[in-house]
Amino acid sequence: EIVMTQSPATLSVSPGERATLSCRASQSVSSNLAWYQQKPGQAPRLLIYGASTRATGIPARFSGSGSGTEFTLTISSLQSEDFAVYYCQQYNNWPPNTFGQGTKLEIK
Amino acid sequence: QVQLVESGGGLVKPGGSLRLSCAASGFTFSDYYMSWIRQAPGKGLEWVSYISSSGSTIYYADSVKGRFTISRDNAKNSLYLQMNSLRAEDTAVYYCATGYSPAFDIWGQGTMVTVSS
Repeated sequence: EIVMTQSPATLSVSPGERATLSCRASQSVSSNLAWYQQKPGQAPRLLIYGASTRATGIPARFSGSGSGTEFTLTISSLQSEDFAVYYCQQYNNWPPNTFGQGTKLEIK
Repeated sequence: QVQLVESGGGLVKPGGSLRLSCAASGFTFSDYYMSWIRQAPGKGLEWVSYISSSGSTIYYADSVKGRFTISRDNAKNSLYLQMNSLRAEDTAVYYCATGYSPAFDIWGQGTMVTVSS
C-alpha cells in the first residue's frame, strides 16, 4: 500500500498571501495524484487531478505540480473561502486508493 | 444536475448490520465506476470499496473485507453498501463518489454511521 504523507499538518497564512502545501508518496505514483478541499460539514471537492490539471470550475489561483513522489499544491493569493482542510490522494497503484492525512489551512 | 444522495445511516450496536444506499441522478449512472469512502469523526478520508460500471469488478479495503458488500442496480441508478459485523471503528460519515476524471469528481453529502452500544 502506498502511504501518502502531507506537510505541514497545519499552515497559518494571511489572506492575500501564497500558501504551499506538500504531499509525499512512499513510492512513485507518476502523475496520478489528486488534491481535494474539504470545509466543515461538507463533502470533499476535487481541485486538481493528474497532479496539475484543475478540475472544472476551480479558480486559476489553485495550481498543482510535481511527479513521482513529491507534489505541491499552491494557492497563489488566499481568499477567505480557501481556509479549509486539503487532502492529496494517489490513484496510481490501487486498490487501495490512499489519501494523505490532510493539511489544515487556517487564517493567520 | 449531477447528484449523489446517500441514505441508510444511523445508530447500530456492535456486531449489527446496516445497508447504505446512494441514489444517482443527472448523469448516466451505468457508465461510471462507483466507490464508497468514509471519514471517521475528526479524521481523514479512507477509501472503502469500488465497483466497476457493470459490477463485474469489485475491490475492498482490508479493514472491511469479508464484512462489507458493495453492489449496484443500474436500472435503479443506485449503489449499495451492505455492512455486517459492524465495529466501533466503522463509525464514520460514508460518502459515495465517482468521477469523470480518474479522481473523484462527484461526491454525495454523506450519511453518518454510528456503531455504539
